[in-house]
Amino acid sequence: GAVVSQHPSWVICKSGTSVKIECRSLDFQATTMFWYRQFPKQSLMLMATSNEGSKATYEQGVEKDKFLINHASLTLSTLTVTSAHPEDSSFYICSAPRDRAYGYTFGSGTRLTVV
Amino acid sequence: AQTVTQSQPEMSVQEAETVTLSCTYDTSENNYYLFWYKQPPSRQMILVIRQEAYKQQNATENRFSVNFQKAAKSFSLKISDSQLGDTAMYFCAFGADSNYQLIWGAGTKLIIKP
Repeated sequence: GAVVSQHPSWVICKSGTSVKIECRSLDFQATTMFWYRQFPKQSLMLMATSNEGSKATYEQGVEKDKFLINHASLTLSTLTVTSAHPEDSSFYICSAPRDRAYGYTFGSGTRLTVV
Repeated sequence: AQTVTQSQPEMSVQEAETVTLSCTYDTSENNYYLFWYKQPPSRQMILVIRQEAYKQQNATENRFSVNFQKAAKSFSLKISDSQLGDTAMYFCAFGADSNYQLIWGAGTKLIIKP
């Protein structure tokens, strides 16, 4: 149980285009979703926290207008990278806290390459 | 603010050996949780083991066990009878009971050699 499905697994897009990444909680309701960015050989860097029905909370230094996060329902949170540039190329991971007993459930990640 | 420190960027051991990964943290919270996550080459994050701070007994999951020293704010992971499939990045994480955000260590790359 406690599965978060993340799509796409990888995407290549041209500079200037937008890319949407979806995370769906399949067997539980995710009121909160964390969005991370991970550079090669580095730890997870929290970008923002989305809560169902309210605006996302962004970490310092993360551009709100570039990384649009929407949490429209209890089972779906999306991250849209707008006007993508090569420096946005990275690995993006979503994670939902289920409860303390089970820890956190992670999506499988999205590898974004902007050319 | 909470911090998590993993001081071993990379470790390498022979298959079947025992290895210990270190993690220290700093917090003023009384109630919190500690986690070890594994990230294999597939990059899927996998929960290895978790520890509730109020529990004195060290958590154990098959070949994985922790040495939780609350006063020293230390949370090391011991892997016994290491296997090739244990090769991965290992991240230590802290979660305060007051919120769900996790604080992550920098990670330790563990290589199990045949």
